[in-house]
Amino acid sequence: EAGVVQSPRYKIIEKKQPVAFWCNPISGHNTLYWYLQNLGQGPELLIRYENEEAVDDSQLPKDRFSAERLKGVDSTLKIQPAELGDSAVYLCASSRTSENEQFFGPGTRLTVL
Amino acid sequence: DAKTTQPPSMDCAEGRAANLPCNHSTISGNEYVYWYRQIHSQGPQYIIHGLKNNETNEMASLIITEDRKSSTLILPHATLRDTAVYYCIVRATNNDMRFGAGTRLTVKP
Repeated sequence: EAGVVQSPRYKIIEKKQPVAFWCNPISGHNTLYWYLQNLGQGPELLIRYENEEAVDDSQLPKDRFSAERLKGVDSTLKIQPAELGDSAVYLCASSRTSENEQFFGPGTRLTVL
Repeated sequence: DAKTTQPPSMDCAEGRAANLPCNHSTISGNEYVYWYRQIHSQGPQYIIHGLKNNETNEMASLIITEDRKSSTLILPHATLRDTAVYYCIVRATNNDMRFGAGTRLTVKP
């Protein structure tokens, strides 16, 4: 089966610009996650969706970050405006349910100049 | 949520067994131990998980101590492609996973 698809793989923007990341989970997976990974550290959860509902967004910086999962399938994570400190890898993962193992996409590497 | 402690780095000779330790002394009775690995420039990859009993699959074996305060991931015959960062995670009761810094395993020829 196809894995988790993310695009773009790389993105370079100037600070204060908006940016969006897209994720298509594995077919049939109800739970979708967005993680942020800084260099040399493990991934940190930003938000978790159960179908179209965000059930855990406590770690999402809501002043500049937003996410949506319309129709409970693919998802978009947006940053507006981007800051220098947002440079990181943004990972998307999905699982059949929240109790199953998570499958990760390759990530989007964001560089903010 | 239970925290985990792992050595920051380990080396292993190609073809030998790689034994990666993890301490999780504050684990609760219903929390699972998960292992993931992350090869450079890729997303984390699920390896194995367990609750109380030892587990084995095609990738690795997981040995959990009887008191569940520590575990060891065993790669029986390490290859160069097993060079990666290995994360030991105690999965919280709300199913969230908190990744630490992991162990950077280097398999050497």
